[in-house]
Amino acid sequence: SQTIHQWPATLVQPVGSPLSLECTVEGTSNPNLYWYRQAAGRGLQLLFYSVGIGQISSEVPQNLSASRPQDRQFILSSKKLLLSDSGFYLCAWSDHDRLNYGYTFGSGTRLTVV
Amino acid sequence: GQQLNQSPQSMFIQEGEDVSMNCTSSSIFNTWLWYKQEPGEGPVLLIALYKAGELTSNGRLTAQFGITRKDSFLNISASIPSDVGIYFCAGRGTSYDKVIFGPGTSLSVIP
Repeated sequence: SQTIHQWPATLVQPVGSPLSLECTVEGTSNPNLYWYRQAAGRGLQLLFYSVGIGQISSEVPQNLSASRPQDRQFILSSKKLLLSDSGFYLCAWSDHDRLNYGYTFGSGTRLTVV
Repeated sequence: GQQLNQSPQSMFIQEGEDVSMNCTSSSIFNTWLWYKQEPGEGPVLLIALYKAGELTSNGRLTAQFGITRKDSFLNISASIPSDVGIYFCAGRGTSYDKVIFGPGTSLSVIP
């Protein structure tokens, strides 16, 4: 069966520090991968998505970047964090060949920038 | 761009009551999805709908794909405390479109 892993679960980082969040998917190949951000009690904002290795599409201009160095690995990064980068970050995947099945989400990373 | 609206934005109900929430769109979708997010966790898919008029149940949850293809409804019968969370609707146009998420309905159940 397919599983998705995100880490770390929580992170407290000072303003101006770098960020690296990692997401990996197991049990499938060539997944579509997504990074979402959720402000407290709010909806899901799509940040990046990827349909293949090295292929990244950005949905909103921001202080963050994403990379996909391997088929089932998706990384969210920042060189210098801002206070406004705080939030709940969710990684998700979908089956490239079974798109109607929707997205499966990881358990999220709670980022607090102080 | 495509947008989804969910109502109500939040609900406070007594344990045992039935719950109804809906999701509307200005454009047509071919797939409707309902997710539940518990505090501190990622959203989990509850029900997927693929045909206009389709009615699908998952335990105490029932969802319907509106016949206009521009709306969907989720009902929860006999609510219990573990139903607490944010319920997101989501829709997709064609198979190649990204899934669009609504802003969510926050449900609180009073024991």
